[in-house]
Amino acid sequence: QSALTQPPSVSGSPGQSVTISCTGTSSDVGSYYRVSWYRQAPGTAPKLLIYEVDNRPSGVPDRFSGSKSGNTASLTISGLQAEDEGYYYCNSYRDSYTYVFGSGTKVTVL
Amino acid sequence: QVQLVQSGGALVKPGGSLTLSCAASGFAFSDYYMSWIRQAPGKGLEWISYIGSDGKTKYYADSVRGRFTVSRDNAKNSLHLQLNSLGGEDTAVYFCARLRGGFDYWGQGTLVTVSS
Repeated sequence: QSALTQPPSVSGSPGQSVTISCTGTSSDVGSYYRVSWYRQAPGTAPKLLIYEVDNRPSGVPDRFSGSKSGNTASLTISGLQAEDEGYYYCNSYRDSYTYVFGSGTKVTVL
Repeated sequence: QVQLVQSGGALVKPGGSLTLSCAASGFAFSDYYMSWIRQAPGKGLEWISYIGSDGKTKYYADSVRGRFTVSRDNAKNSLHLQLNSLGGEDTAVYFCARLRGGFDYWGQGTLVTVSS
């Protein structure tokens, strides 16, 4: 089961916006709204940032937003802050009752 | 508050078996799907299994199907993952997570190391 494709790294200065892409296929991202995004700091469990493409859980700042077009989902971080550094992963439901994660993106605040 | 506390990680020999557990509290455990996710050292996240709220529906990633078995005890608010026929590729931190929209709450992770 191949992972969803994410860029290995993205970077930006404080206050800028960055967007992370997550490319799948018509068997996952393209067909389902069960796309979610996570941030993981080293040595800790991932934290849910976005679920069902564009919904934020309580407590997640509105600087984080999600979208989807065709087989590609995106996470945008607006007003980048130092605390946003970390690894980001997308996830999608896939055909045959399975889920698949993205390859992961390292976000660096310059 | 929602808590998922994991246990059971260990060093096991190739071909060996192990059972991981995840104790849930702070929510109506029997109402939620639960999942297992793992992360090999220095690698990304890999979804490996989920189980329906009543324990009857279970699904697995190809990489573990036939070797791993997920189960739950709703009376004890606990989730389990039995790992059999372990190989080096199974060395990872294993996380349990609640599935609701996304994986919204995670356990702290438990390390399984497969080595002779």
